[in-house]
Amino acid sequence: GQSLEQPSEVTAVEGAIVQINCTYQTSGFYGLSWYQQHDGGAPTFLSYNGLDGLEETGRFSSFLSRSDSYGYLLLQELQMKDSASYFCAVRDEGGKLIFGQGTELSVKP
Amino acid sequence: GAVVSQHPSRVICKSGTSVKIECRSLDFQATTMFWYRQFPKQSLMLMATSNEGSKATYEQGVEKDKFLINHASLTLSTLTVTSAHPEDSSFYICSAIRDREFYYGYTFGSGTRLTVV
Repeated sequence: GQSLEQPSEVTAVEGAIVQINCTYQTSGFYGLSWYQQHDGGAPTFLSYNGLDGLEETGRFSSFLSRSDSYGYLLLQELQMKDSASYFCAVRDEGGKLIFGQGTELSVKP
Repeated sequence: GAVVSQHPSRVICKSGTSVKIECRSLDFQATTMFWYRQFPKQSLMLMATSNEGSKATYEQGVEKDKFLINHASLTLSTLTVTSAHPEDSSFYICSAIRDREFYYGYTFGSGTRLTVV
């Protein structure tokens, strides 16, 4: 089976940089994804890593180390609107997406 | 981009009644759709995988007779919560993928908040 661990909550100030870590255990690896979910809304896709290294998409970057079963999401130039829950997720061979418990990010002025 | 429409967004029903939730892929054919349930401040828990034209595959612990899933076409999947009870109150979300190779960018519906009174 799959399991993922990420911090339950993180607090940062506007303009800062924050890193959300995710460690995973999977029986087979088919990529690590990150999703953002605002309260009451649907998850939206942020980033995907299939291979080791850094993927950059605007203010968001995601990193993967398959040998360490570890990844992180890096958010730069934090804005108030970035306050949300962030989930890492892995896909299994059948295409099912399994989510971590989520990290609630609070951005303070 | 891919759009998934989910309806209704909110529903309140009486205990013992059934509720149907629809999930539609608007601009692509979804070979596979997934149904998730999310309780407040918790993660998304996969309930079942729905493939067009075949029976849904349910996750362990999910009652298939209570949560009926129908994927009658490549653009529509429905989840029916039968004989709903207050403990079924939750946020239900569907997601869809184009084909089995387009895995990493799943598109989610906007979710349905079900309240059973």
